[in-house]
Amino acid sequence: DAGVTQSPTHLIKTRGQQVTLRCSPKSGHDTVSWYQQALGQGPQFIFQYYEEEERQRGNFPDRFSGHQFPNYSSELNVNALLLGDSALYLCASSWTDREAFFGQGTRLTVV
Amino acid sequence: AQSVTQPDIHITVSEGASLELRCNYSYGATPYLFWYVQSPGQGLQLLLKYFSGDTLVQGIKGFEAEFKRSQSSFNLRKPSVHWSDAAEYFCAVGALGRGKLQFGAGTQVVVTP
Repeated sequence: DAGVTQSPTHLIKTRGQQVTLRCSPKSGHDTVSWYQQALGQGPQFIFQYYEEEERQRGNFPDRFSGHQFPNYSSELNVNALLLGDSALYLCASSWTDREAFFGQGTRLTVV
Repeated sequence: AQSVTQPDIHITVSEGASLELRCNYSYGATPYLFWYVQSPGQGLQLLLKYFSGDTLVQGIKGFEAEFKRSQSSFNLRKPSVHWSDAAEYFCAVGALGRGKLQFGAGTQVVVTP
């Protein structure tokens, strides 16, 4: 079992650009959640997908959007990047009433 | 509204000594509580979880946590720390499965020889 996998591991983008991060959930999991972890802080919930729809959303602007595919994998898109979007982006997968498992994260640096 | 407070930003402990990390939560319904550990630049690894039942839960790597409803606390303990326990520890509250997690700000643990 490969667990939760995220790609890429590191990414450098320029302000104003757009970025797409990818996540493959743990085998058997159908729910994917995305979190943003700024340096020195705890993870903050961005949104959650299951059945290919956004089900819950945290306090993030519309520049943050996502998608879930029929195979349960997911993408996080961020438009019009700001310096403040620099963070570790974590994907977590889960299934019904079980705990969430996290991937290793994607480190995004906006310059 | 749900919230998690980890009062200690940074803790230094000697190898072999005991460790206790504090966590206080606020949650409107029955809380599901978690402790995760994060090594530098890495993702989060689940140490243990509390759903219901016995208020003392055992986790991986020799960690345990005690749920005290009257104090809204879920403190993490380890009797004897190892150098490999140096990491950041996060307490979280939320729902299972399709529920979001609310994390505390984390406690950085440094282990000295």
